[in-house]
Amino acid sequence: AQSVTQLGSHVSVSEGALVLLRCNYSSSVPPYLFWYVQYPNQGLQLLLKYTSAATLVKGINGFEAEFKKSETSFHLTKPSAHMSDAAEYFCAVRLIQGAQKLVFGQGTRLTINP
Amino acid sequence: ETGVTQSPTHLIKTRGQQVTLRCSSQSGHNTVSWYQQALGQGPQFIFQYYREEENGRGNFPPRFSGLQFPNYSSELNVNALELDDSALYLCASSPLAGGVTDTQYFGPGTRLTVL
Repeated sequence: AQSVTQLGSHVSVSEGALVLLRCNYSSSVPPYLFWYVQYPNQGLQLLLKYTSAATLVKGINGFEAEFKKSETSFHLTKPSAHMSDAAEYFCAVRLIQGAQKLVFGQGTRLTINP
Repeated sequence: ETGVTQSPTHLIKTRGQQVTLRCSSQSGHNTVSWYQQALGQGPQFIFQYYREEENGRGNFPPRFSGLQFPNYSSELNVNALELDDSALYLCASSPLAGGVTDTQYFGPGTRLTVL
């Protein structure tokens, strides 16, 4: 069974600083990987996805993530944080075949300090 | 293009009651998935519907049931509500082409409180 671990339930950075949110996955077969963002009292918005093409994936709002098979990781980064990036971020995994469900991590709350 | 919509936005029920939540999928999407997000947790997969048939189910008891209609909208029904059912219920729709499901797009959710 696949699973996702997000290291750090809460990350705090200064405005303009690098954002790094960590995600490690466990899957017996190559997966699809996703990052979603959730603003307060809202649903989930897709930031980016990896579907076995390029290992460096660029998403919306300046975010990108790199798939590293050897490390089973899919960390999310942004070079310069904005106040508007404050939100909850979820990493998710889905198998390419079989059950069409997303398995989410516990989430990381990102706080931006002025 | 209209995104995924859910109704109602908020709902308060008491233990033992039944509830129905509704979801309209995004235009052109024929697959609907439901997730439960407890406070402070990541979403958990409940089940998925494709062409009006259940197409996968998570680890939820049978009192969680669903329907999908010919227009691809969907309902989630929960019977015999328990306090632990209090959560944000998220609906996601996706296109299904060639046997490979594409990205799931989420609605704003329904916040259910069970007292």
